[in-house]
Amino acid sequence: RKEVEQDPGPFNVPEGATVAFNCTYSNSASQSFFWYRQDCRKEPKLLMSVYSSGNEDGRFTAQLNRASQYISLLIRDSKLSDSATYLCVVSGGSNYKLTFGKGTLLTVNP
Amino acid sequence: SQTIHQWPATLVQPVGSPLSLECTVEGTSNPNLYWYRQAAGRGLQLLFYSVGIGQISSEVPQNLSASRPQDRQFILSSKKLLLSDSGFYLCAWSARQGAEAFFGQGTRLTVV
Repeated sequence: RKEVEQDPGPFNVPEGATVAFNCTYSNSASQSFFWYRQDCRKEPKLLMSVYSSGNEDGRFTAQLNRASQYISLLIRDSKLSDSATYLCVVSGGSNYKLTFGKGTLLTVNP
Repeated sequence: SQTIHQWPATLVQPVGSPLSLECTVEGTSNPNLYWYRQAAGRGLQLLFYSVGIGQISSEVPQNLSASRPQDRQFILSSKKLLLSDSGFYLCAWSARQGAEAFFGQGTRLTVV
């Protein structure tokens, strides 16, 4: 089982749609969880951290389920500018390195 | 505020030539530093990470090496590049182990 797995997509949605991404991780000792977005040919940028109680930042909601070892990201009222690759990131284990999923490509269409 | 600088942005190098990519961080002390590589259409692969000066951990055996001569300077090197070394190289820093990382703008390396 890969350390961090994501549905690669692509997800094509119309403006205003709600879209959800899921991510699973294999290391039960993982401590920190994040979502990043990466625009084409650019560096990844932190979108939000994911907390055990779940957290929301505007149109974005992140959830963590430790028992099932998965993380989710919900985007409401999608905008054209949300088009990007969304990367699930997990940290934990003996050296707390960050492990990235391969990303899920989202395209929001007008 | 903290900033991370990485250069050059683009590099084309012949097979067998050496490589040196530099990354510096400003506005923080004793950061954790990382080198990642992203091959075309693939995920980020951690190459090296460092928790302090002179402390380098290698994740993947390869013909690359890393050094941290100063607290906020991280260098990625190779003595002889291979075609398979082509990719998007990203330097990142974090305040502590397990914390979120912040990336430089990356170097797009093409080995020809």
